Amino acid sequence: GNSVTQMEGPVTLSEEAFLTINCTYTATGYPSLFWYVQYPGEGLQLLLKATKADDKGSNKGFEATYRKETTSFHLEKGSVQVSDSAVYFCALREAGTALIFGKGTTLSVSS
Amino acid sequence: DTEVTQTPKHLVMGMTNKKSLKCEQHMGHRAMYWYKQKAKKPPELMFVYSYEKLSINESVPSRFSPECPNSSLLNLHLHALQPEDSALYLCASSQNRVNTEAFFGQGTRLTVV
Repeated sequence: GNSVTQMEGPVTLSEEAFLTINCTYTATGYPSLFWYVQYPGEGLQLLLKATKADDKGSNKGFEATYRKETTSFHLEKGSVQVSDSAVYFCALREAGTALIFGKGTTLSVSS
Repeated sequence: DTEVTQTPKHLVMGMTNKKSLKCEQHMGHRAMYWYKQKAKKPPELMFVYSYEKLSINESVPSRFSPECPNSSLLNLHLHALQPEDSALYLCASSQNRVNTEAFFGQGTRLTVV
């Protein structure tokens, strides 16, 4: 079946550091891929998405590229801020199915 | 407008109570979802409605009863819950059930006492 694997956290960084959160997936077809962010006490917000191979999703300085050859969708940001501290979920979705989430990665950024 | 509104934000209920969670969206989305999220875990799918019809029930106990009165509203009726049902309940919607993104509400924090 389909699945998403994310790097285990927590990830602890200083402000302005470079961020990478790894995400790999297993899918039988051609899924769309997503990154969601959840701030403490809130729901999930869609951060970015990519719908086909080689697409790059980007938003608020975050980027991720859909790599079919490595079945990956790693999240990157060049310079993190304290306000980026949150839980990040990688997810996939195939036609006719609901979202499948990774376990989530907690990011903590200190000033 | 990409907003999904959930009420109430917080709910405390006894094990013999009956309560309802409400979810509303005005994006014209035809698929709506209920998820349950425990602390430090990803959301778990409970129910999917597509064009106001229940299309997926992920073996959820009958003490949870979903309802979709129209294309904008989704309810979750709760009855005789257990303390282990305490969690964040998230509603989401998407344009349809194909490869489109889902938008989530802020959730209802439920505590069963």
